Amino acid sequence: EAGVTQFPSHSVIEKGQTVTLRCDPISGHDNLYWYRRVMGKEIKFLLHFVKESKQDESGMPNNRFLAERTGGTYSTLKVQPAELEDSGVYFCASSHGTGVRDTQYFGPGTRLTVL
Amino acid sequence: AQSVTQPDIHITVSEGASLELRCNYSYGATPYLFWYVQSPGQGLQLLLKYFSGDTLVQGIKGFEAEFKRSQSSFNLRKPSVHWSDAAEYFCAVGTFAGNNRKLIWGLGTSLAVNP
Repeated sequence: EAGVTQFPSHSVIEKGQTVTLRCDPISGHDNLYWYRRVMGKEIKFLLHFVKESKQDESGMPNNRFLAERTGGTYSTLKVQPAELEDSGVYFCASSHGTGVRDTQYFGPGTRLTVL
Repeated sequence: AQSVTQPDIHITVSEGASLELRCNYSYGATPYLFWYVQSPGQGLQLLLKYFSGDTLVQGIKGFEAEFKRSQSSFNLRKPSVHWSDAAEYFCAVGTFAGNNRKLIWGLGTSLAVNP
């Protein structure tokens, strides 16, 4: 069974440009999560999809970030326009369950560098 | 507020030595606790998790962790470290509010292994 995949693995862009990150969850997992780790800080939650719906987007930093999950399969996270402070590693995770005993499985992350 | 503290940012041990990585959490309800590892160039891999029951949890790669409610701790241990264990280790607590689920993370502990 394939794990969570993310694309690209690295992205280097200039301030003001747009970047779109993609995440493909484990097949059959209804829950999809985005997290971000800024250098020197802890990993932080961004948002949680259940199928195609945004269940919790309380961690999204501002309206320059837009996440979508069309059809409840893969998800994209767009940053427009990118700022220097957006640099970091963006992790995607997916999970199957609906109860509290739910385990999230992570992808390799996308390292975003904004110059 | 919910939080996870990993007091040690960097640890260096010799190969074959025992290891203990500390994790303390602050969470008002029953904690669901996780340890993940990120090896160089890899994503976040689940080492072990605690939901309930036996407070000593066994994980992959020979790791174990002990939940101590009285100390709000969930320390990770390994009796004999291998060079391949060099990685960054993250402790996390799963938070749940209705259908909202997310992980709260510690800063991580970077482990170096001397030959």
